Amino acid sequence: DAMVIQNPRYQVTQFGKPVTLSCSQTLNHNVMYWYQQKSSQAPKLLFHYYDKDFNNEADTPDNFQSRRPNTSFCFLDIRSPGLGDAAMYLCATSELAGGTDTQYFGPGTRLTVL
Amino acid sequence: KQEVTQIPAALSVPEGENLVLNCSFTDSAIYNLQWFRQDPGKGLTSLLLIQSSQREQTSGRLNASLDKSSGRSTLYIAASQPGDSATYLCAVEGTYKYIFGTGTRLKVLA
Repeated sequence: DAMVIQNPRYQVTQFGKPVTLSCSQTLNHNVMYWYQQKSSQAPKLLFHYYDKDFNNEADTPDNFQSRRPNTSFCFLDIRSPGLGDAAMYLCATSELAGGTDTQYFGPGTRLTVL
Repeated sequence: KQEVTQIPAALSVPEGENLVLNCSFTDSAIYNLQWFRQDPGKGLTSLLLIQSSQREQTSGRLNASLDKSSGRSTLYIAASQPGDSATYLCAVEGTYKYIFGTGTRLKVLA
């Protein structure tokens, strides 16, 4: 089945130790998104790629970076995780065409920072 | 700046009841509105997408309506079941961007 896959599902890292979260898609969508969702809060968009064009949200900390080496893969790098970065990280994809923009979400990666 | 509010924050109902979840947004200049379901510790599952030119969408026991001018959407769930227990989130789409509400946590009691 076509889908959005996130690895790992659970990630534990130490304070200040860089970590990379992975997202892949078989939908061949042109847009990929990364959201951060803290407990009992709404998902918050960090950035998105429209094809190779990177779009950062104004309030996304510099500590968060992203890479999209090809259509299928997108990575979230957290350079120096702090305790406040513990959250669920959601990857989503969409195909921007004709005004409809259903976003398809992966299962998420839950990040714990010790 | 777009703000999305969902009321109530939590809801418990007995099985079989029909219920309505509410979503309001402050900027009516939206492209789409989407309703999602989120199970505990899981990602988001899209339930219904309403384009800005549409008034409602239906899927099975779910019906979502959109009134752009008043900045409101409702999600109607008919004949609720324990399996419907989850958090329901609405999200409005601006330019390349979804803004989410904080969700309504629904519990359907058997």
